Amino acid sequence: DAKTTQPPSMDCAEGRAANLPCNHSTISGNEYVYWYRQIHSQGPQYIIHGLKNNETNEMASLIITEDRKSSTLILPHATLRDTAVYYCIVSNQGGKLIFGQGTELSVKP
Amino acid sequence: GAVVSQHPSRVICKSGTSVKIECRSLDFQATTMFWYRQFPKQSLMLMATSNEGSKATYEQGVEKDKFLINHASLTLSTLTVTSAHPEDSSFYICSARDGSLDYEQYFGPGTRLTVT
Repeated sequence: DAKTTQPPSMDCAEGRAANLPCNHSTISGNEYVYWYRQIHSQGPQYIIHGLKNNETNEMASLIITEDRKSSTLILPHATLRDTAVYYCIVSNQGGKLIFGQGTELSVKP
Repeated sequence: GAVVSQHPSRVICKSGTSVKIECRSLDFQATTMFWYRQFPKQSLMLMATSNEGSKATYEQGVEKDKFLINHASLTLSTLTVTSAHPEDSSFYICSARDGSLDYEQYFGPGTRLTVT
């Protein structure tokens, strides 16, 4: 079973920041937080991952709380092409990725 | 970035026949590959994990005799759906991991299987 809880859907206005929350209260010390997204009828795309420090790359930022029980993925300037299902997954590095239901993000003009 | 391809992208087959789906890592050696299936409006479900040169490990509830997985080389894994039934119609997605560089998984574009 997935170890994360995400809201089933969210809306965001184009050009605004999209903040996607994820709860992972049972995360263990050696588990990473991974974020992937899936655009309709395509394979998932890696976005970012982190252990305990906040991370940023060209796609997004990942904010992990100090107790590591939750995290937020931030898309700083959402575009229509960011409309997708976003999956938050916790896993050991090199472990299996077990997908939950994810958050369906709709970016609206 | 690392690229994973799947072939075919779409396939239609008749009930009772078998169909093979290929998953290739194009620019890295995949020590481990994973197979998922996804039904409409649902999340990805992990079916099995395969390591090059060894037998696949199947998730609970996945029939290993029906879904044959072969990972004969570091760049190719195949999934064969045997004696296909209409309920096997699904989106099959593979992913691959290069353990020598990092532990990220790279996903293929998926294969849409329709069994008539």
